[in-house]
Amino acid sequence: DGGITQSPKYLFRKEGQNVTLSCEQNLNHDAMYWYRQDPGQGLRLIYYSQIVNDFQKGDIAEGYSVSREKKESFPLTVTSAQKNPTAFYLCASRRGGGAHEQFFGPGTRLTVL
Amino acid sequence: AQTVTQSQPEMSVQEAETVTLSCTYDTSESDYYLFWYKQPPSRQMILVIRQEAYKQQNATENRFSVNFQKAAKSFSLKISDSQLGDAAMYFCAYRSEFQGGSEKLVFGKGTKLTVNP
Repeated sequence: DGGITQSPKYLFRKEGQNVTLSCEQNLNHDAMYWYRQDPGQGLRLIYYSQIVNDFQKGDIAEGYSVSREKKESFPLTVTSAQKNPTAFYLCASRRGGGAHEQFFGPGTRLTVL
Repeated sequence: AQTVTQSQPEMSVQEAETVTLSCTYDTSESDYYLFWYKQPPSRQMILVIRQEAYKQQNATENRFSVNFQKAAKSFSLKISDSQLGDAAMYFCAYRSEFQGGSEKLVFGKGTKLTVNP
């Protein structure tokens, strides 16, 4: 079955540690996205990648980093510079071209202890 | 910058009844796309329906339909014959171009829908 997987489902981090959230898709989609969701808020864009080896900052990129070495994979690293990292993180992909729908993974809940 | 406003933080409906969720947006573009996403307690975001602004006909997907009023910049979602499984957060989203031809979705803050048996 085609889809988007995110791991882990729950992640706990101590302050000062970097952590990496995984996002993999087998939909052969060109574009991939990372969003952050906080209680009572909509989704806010962290980073975006349109093609392999290219990515762009979204609205709240500070304290985050990404890579796109393979079409299928778009990992997100939450660095110690992110002041308030506890949130729900959602990865999405879009086929590209004239397709505008984004399809989402199941999300990762990150908690900083 | 485009903004999306959902003015109803919470709504409730009786099972089998109809409910309408409101969404307004602000844009200077003439051609664009709008979406409704559903987020059940599992937190998986699910695409419910999409609307292209150049289409005058309102989109429909089974029990879900939209009332798209382009001049008023309004995009409401109607759920008919509500079912218990419709209980979820519903997000309205606008497809926005940015940074040299890339695109992103701008989301409203969501409406929590409760379905009462």
